[in-house]
Formats: sequence, structure tokens, C-alpha cells
Amino acid sequence: SYELTQPPSVSVSPGQTATITCSGDKLGDKFACWYQQKPGQSPVLVILEDNKRPSGIPERFSGSNSGNTATLTISGTQAMDEADYYCQAWDISTTVFGGGTKLTVL
Amino acid sequence: EVQLLESGGGLVQPGGSLRLSCAASGFTFRSYAMSWVRQAPGKGLEWVSAISGSGGNTYYADSVKGRFTISRDNSKNTLYLEMNTLRAEDTAVYHCAKGHNGSYYNFDYWGQGTLVTVSS
Repeated sequence: SYELTQPPSVSVSPGQTATITCSGDKLGDKFACWYQQKPGQSPVLVILEDNKRPSGIPERFSGSNSGNTATLTISGTQAMDEADYYCQAWDISTTVFGGGTKLTVL
Repeated sequence: EVQLLESGGGLVQPGGSLRLSCAASGFTFRSYAMSWVRQAPGKGLEWVSAISGSGGNTYYADSVKGRFTISRDNSKNTLYLEMNTLRAEDTAVYHCAKGHNGSYYNFDYWGQGTLVTVSS
């Protein structure tokens, strides 16, 4: 079965750029999306189809996908961005989530 | 405004059954694929099942194949998940989610979830 791998945790200072990776075999040949989940809340889609921002998502969120790695980039990270982030891709009749990355802003 | 409201969760014994519902509003329900995603306490997201807008195509994670059945009633704008032969590892919050532009992922709206606890 297809697997997506994310680092368990990433730390960033306020105002700096946070980068979260998601790795999978030939992931660049598929579309990847990203979710943000804060404690006690449902996930929120922040990037769809590799690099598109849904309505209402701040411009500081961006995405890319090439080769075996999709990347979520948060520019000018704010304290409110502290959350768990999950990548997702579709592969032959199933969809898969990465294990999640806890982003700490300190 | 899009709303997804799950119900039907609760405490069930191992080997038991439960039926979850997800009432949808604010969009043309029959035009969109829908999915169930679960999250065990303190764990990550796990996709469970998906169904096409017409209901003619269904997909399942290996972990639930043969035990869970997804269905929908487009006349009632409601999504269902019939869960049989439940195991302790099925304990989780179950969310229904709407696919963006008809896709089976890119979930642009989620319900708040309903908790299923499998325990004796």
C-alpha cells in the first residue's frame, strides 16, 4: 500500500519560514494536498492540488510537489500557525494521509 | 453555508455494530463525492471510505474492507457508514468530509465528528 512520510515535528521562530515535507514514491506524479489541525478542531484544507490555496487561506501558505517530495511552506510564520499538519494524496482507489507533523512556533 | 453534522457514535462492545450518519446542507449533495475519515485518540488521520456522488462507486481502506459499508441517500442529503464486527482499534472520532470539485480527496469541508468507542 502507498505510504506518505512526514517528519514528526518541526520548529520555527515567529516571522521565519517553516518547511514541512511529505515523501512518497513518485509523489510528484500525483496531486498532494495539506491540512492544518489545531487541538480539538477538525482539519482545515490549506493547500489543494499541490499548490492551490482555498478561499480564506492566507497567502503565507504555499505548496510544491516534485519527484518524491511534496512541501508545505509557511512564510512569516505566526503563533496562530502552531498546529498539526497532514499531507494527503490519492493512489489507485484509495487516499492516504501522512503521519502528521507538529509545527511548534517558538 | 456548507454544514456536515455527524451522529450515531457511542460505546459498543467488540464484535458489535453501529451506523453513523452525516447530514449535509449548503451544497448540491448529489454532485460531490463524500468520505469518512477517522482519528484515534492522540493519533493521526486515517481515511476509511469514499463514495461517488451517485453512490455507484465505493472505496475502502484495507483495515475496514469487508466490515464497513458506505452509502448515501441523495434524497435526504445524508451519508452513512455501517460498521460491523467492530474491534478495539476502530475506536476513534469519525468525520465525514466533502471532496473539493468532486474529487475523492482535497476535503474542503469536514464535520465535527462523532466518537466511536469499542470496549467491553
